[in-house]
Amino acid sequence: DIVLTQSPDTLSLSPGERATLSCRASQGVSSSYLAWYQQKPGQAPRLLIYGTSNRATGTPDRFSGSGSGTDFTLTITRLEPEDFAVYLCQQYGGSRWTFGQGTKVEVK
Amino acid sequence: DVQVVESGGGLVKPGGSLRLSCATSGFTFTSFTMNWVRQAPGKGLEWVSSVVSGGTHTYYADSVKGRFTISRDNAKNSLYLQMENLRAEDTAVYYCARSWVAAFDFWGQGTMVAVSS
Repeated sequence: DIVLTQSPDTLSLSPGERATLSCRASQGVSSSYLAWYQQKPGQAPRLLIYGTSNRATGTPDRFSGSGSGTDFTLTITRLEPEDFAVYLCQQYGGSRWTFGQGTKVEVK
Repeated sequence: DVQVVESGGGLVKPGGSLRLSCATSGFTFTSFTMNWVRQAPGKGLEWVSSVVSGGTHTYYADSVKGRFTISRDNAKNSLYLQMENLRAEDTAVYYCARSWVAAFDFWGQGTMVAVSS
């Protein structure tokens, strides 16, 4: 299975700052099959980005995704108070999915 | 609106069985692959199992293969997970989720499964 490693584990930032989250795969991932989720405590994950760079319905345009091959990035241009949460990347391949361990974006 | 509602979780002893259900509405159930994804307490997400739209093909994570069985009833717009020979490491919140373009676009609120003696 493809292993996804996210970095950093925790990102401490202030509202209004830019957040850059990394997701590295143990082998190449199709750009069509890389997604990002936001999860808040006690809630189910929410799809933010699919196909590396496509925003899901309702995802604000301050969220953007990029990357290819084994290196992918989620960028939040200006953090809003509701953006402090855990972010997870996910890949699909060979009829199975794997997730990264998550990056927590916390208030500095 | 799309609705996904899981049920059937609970406390079970090691070696026991449990059947989870997922009731859906608000979309054409027969057009989508459906999935179970779990999250152990304080841990990350783990894909568990998938069933394609017609129910003919199923897929499992290695950690549950041979113990869990996924199924669907397209007439009832429902998804199921039969879990046998449960282990402590199966303790988790189990989410039902719809697949769309290789991502999970709608999730239920989850149902908790605790395996403990």
